Amino acid sequence: RKEVEQDPGPFNVPEGATVAFNCTYSNSASQSFFWYRQDCRKEPKLLMSVYSSGNEDGRFTAQLNRASQYISLLIRDSKLSDSATYLCAVNWKGSNYQLIWGAGTKLIIKP
Amino acid sequence: DADVTQTPRNRITKTGKRIMLECSQTKGHDRMYWYRQDPGLGLRLIYYSFDVKDINKGEISDGYSVSRQAQAKFSLSLESAIPNQTALYFCATSVGTGNSYEQYFGPGTRLTVT
Repeated sequence: RKEVEQDPGPFNVPEGATVAFNCTYSNSASQSFFWYRQDCRKEPKLLMSVYSSGNEDGRFTAQLNRASQYISLLIRDSKLSDSATYLCAVNWKGSNYQLIWGAGTKLIIKP
Repeated sequence: DADVTQTPRNRITKTGKRIMLECSQTKGHDRMYWYRQDPGLGLRLIYYSFDVKDINKGEISDGYSVSRQAQAKFSLSLESAIPNQTALYFCATSVGTGNSYEQYFGPGTRLTVT
């Protein structure tokens, strides 16, 4: 089993819809969690850190479920510009706090 | 100006050639990383460095070497390039203290080995 897993998609979603995807992690000692966005052939960019209490930034909401060992990303009122690949990343003390990456979920927003 | 820069941005080279990819950062971060990305495989860590005197192998270090010339500079070398090293290469940085350790990426180098 991979340490961090994501559904590769693609998720094809009409503009304006709400979409959610999850990222599961295997190490229960994981400490920090992140969502990154990557556009085609570009570098990953930090979208959100994920806090225990959950956090929201505009149309984006990230949540952490420690009991089931996953994080989620919810995008409301999706825009064409949200089309991208969304990567999750996790770290823990035993990994020297390196980020362990999921392979990404591709999101395509259709007009 | 970009906080993390990579040169070159694109490179085509022949099998057996030595090539160096360079990374510079102005973020003042202690930690630097080299990744490669292949379609469908996600990011794979090649080497990472916690400071100038600390270099560590990642999951796919064979065929690569690195040099941390200064806090701000971290270079990746392919001693004898082979076609399966064709990939998109990213440099990244992070802080070395605290609880977060989120990483910040350079724009990438697209390397093709023919």
